[in-house]
Amino acid sequence: AQSVTQLGSHVSVSEGALVLLRCNYSSSVPPYLFWYVQYPNQGLQLLLKYTTGATLVKGINGFEAEFKKSETSFHLTKPSAHMSDAAEYFCAVSSTNAGKSTFGDGTTLTVKP
Amino acid sequence: EPEVTQTPSHQVTQMGQEVILRCVPISNHLYFYWYRQILGQKVEFLVSFYNNEISEKSEIFDDQFSVERPDGSNFTLKIRSTKLEDSAMYFCASSTGLAGGSTGELFFGEGSRLTVL
Repeated sequence: AQSVTQLGSHVSVSEGALVLLRCNYSSSVPPYLFWYVQYPNQGLQLLLKYTTGATLVKGINGFEAEFKKSETSFHLTKPSAHMSDAAEYFCAVSSTNAGKSTFGDGTTLTVKP
Repeated sequence: EPEVTQTPSHQVTQMGQEVILRCVPISNHLYFYWYRQILGQKVEFLVSFYNNEISEKSEIFDDQFSVERPDGSNFTLKIRSTKLEDSAMYFCASSTGLAGGSTGELFFGEGSRLTVL
């Protein structure tokens, strides 16, 4: 069984401030972890992923996430928020070879000027 | 860049009508999925499909739902008799799995918005 918890359904930051979106997962086997972004009225776009190897992974648009097994976390960060980062962000976990991904509830990121 | 395409982008139907949502996955992908997202809610898994059969399905995917890969390129989701609560955005996704060094991430289409009146 696998599950994802995203802490904070809404996060608001000022432009230029640090972005931190939290994700904790549960998985009975070593997980594959993903962050997706969804802009209004659009599909889901992969931001970054962790499968094996380096625990700090870098993605598109300056985002990165760190896999911490001891904390079962995969928090998403970006040093400096941009207005264009405003979107819905989903953390997802997959535990099998191309098995289903289970999504968190999502976090809406608002960036204030 | 290869992409997953979905049609229609928006469909409005009357309750009780049949709806078919179509998807063209990325050509070398082997695993296919349908997810749905009710407005303002989380993305929910419906079904996965591999080697011409359903590999896993959720509780949501009851007898009114079916999937098919009729011609080797399209992947369809049929809702036999739509209900009001079927109104949602339906996303198709595909994946290569972990073969050839791939990491199994899903590639999503833009979604088909279904409105049931």
